[in-house]
Formats: sequence, structure tokens, C-alpha cells
Amino acid sequence: GNSVTQMEGPVTLSEEAFLTINCTYTATGYPSLFWYVQYPGEGLQLLLKATKADDKGSNKGFEATYRKETTSFHLEKGSVQVSDSAVYFCALRTVDSSYKLIFGSGTRLLVRP
Amino acid sequence: DAGVTQSPTHLIKTRGQQVTLRCSPKSGHDTVSWYQQALGQGPQFIFQYYEEEERQRGNFPDRFSGHQYPNYSSELNVNALLLGDSALYLCASSSGRGRLNTEAFFGQGTRLTVV
Repeated sequence: GNSVTQMEGPVTLSEEAFLTINCTYTATGYPSLFWYVQYPGEGLQLLLKATKADDKGSNKGFEATYRKETTSFHLEKGSVQVSDSAVYFCALRTVDSSYKLIFGSGTRLLVRP
Repeated sequence: DAGVTQSPTHLIKTRGQQVTLRCSPKSGHDTVSWYQQALGQGPQFIFQYYEEEERQRGNFPDRFSGHQYPNYSSELNVNALLLGDSALYLCASSSGRGRLNTEAFFGQGTRLTVV
């Protein structure tokens, strides 16, 4: 079946530190992969995506590379800011007829000044 | 562009009651999906509507039902509410069906509390 596993949080970093949030997946076929971000009290915002192997998604200084050989899509940022504090969700879009999103359980990031 | 809008933002209901949540998709989008997000968890797929029909359904009981109108807006209905139905309900809109389906945009959600 399809599933997404994320590293458990919370992840606490100081401002300007390097961020990595691990994400691995299990899927039938070759799904598209996404990172969504959820700020307190809000819905989900698409952060970045990759649709095929070796694609790199990037946005707002965040990056993630679709690694088929390791079934991973780790999120990275070189220098985090306090405003990056949020919950981050890794997700895949299934390649069956539903094309629904399967989410990981989320990783809370707290960035301290 | 108003994006995906959901109403109400918060709702408190009693066990056994029924509730209706509403969603207006992003302009140009014709597909609406609903997700349930329990506290501290990732969203879980409930169902998807396209051309006014339920096209796909996740692992949710028949107490969860929906509707899509000709203007693409959608409703999620939950009957016989249980305490475990307390969650954030997210609506996502996209365009097209199947392989042509575009990326999903999410609304702010409706926080449902069942007491």
C-alpha cells in the first residue's frame, strides 16, 4: 500500500541553523511527492513538489530531492528563521484512479531567536 | 482570487447530532476533496467529488456523506456525531480528474468539536 513516514518532532533549532526533516515513502508506481506547511490555526500550504525521480523541488529557501533509490524526499533549508516555525507534512499523491494525497504525521519545527 | 474558502471556521456539536460543512473551491477548479485531520496527525482522505459525483472514497463510514453543486462548491455531512469525529476538516480543490488532476490547494479548515 501507500504510506509516508516522517521523523518525529518537535525539532528545535536556533535561528540560522541548518534544517533537515526526513521523509520516506512506500508507494505503488511513481507518485508525485509534496511538502506542505501548516502554520498555527491555519490550513495547509503547498511548500514544494517533485513529480519524478531526481527532480528537486524548491521554494522560499527550502529544497527536497525525489530519491527513488532510497524512496526518500527529505526537506532541507540552509538557514532557518523564526518565521519558519510551523508543522511540516510530507505527502505523496497516489497513481491509482483517486490521485488522493497520503500524508505523513507531520513534524513540528520550532525556531528560537 | 479568494482561494479555497470553508465555512464555518469553528463549530461545536453534541454527540448524535448532524453537521454540514461547506467549501467553495478556488476559481477555475472543478474537483473537491475532503480530509479529516485529528489533533497531532496528518490529514486523512475522506472522499473526492468531480462532476457532482463522489468519485473516490477513503476508509470512512457511511455517516460521512457529501455533495457537489453545479458551481463546484461542496458540502460534507456527518450524521450521528461521535466524540472521535472531533477534528479539523480540510477541503482541497484542484482541476481535472485522474492523471490530469492538478495540485491541490487547501482551505483554512473547519474545526469541529463534538461534546
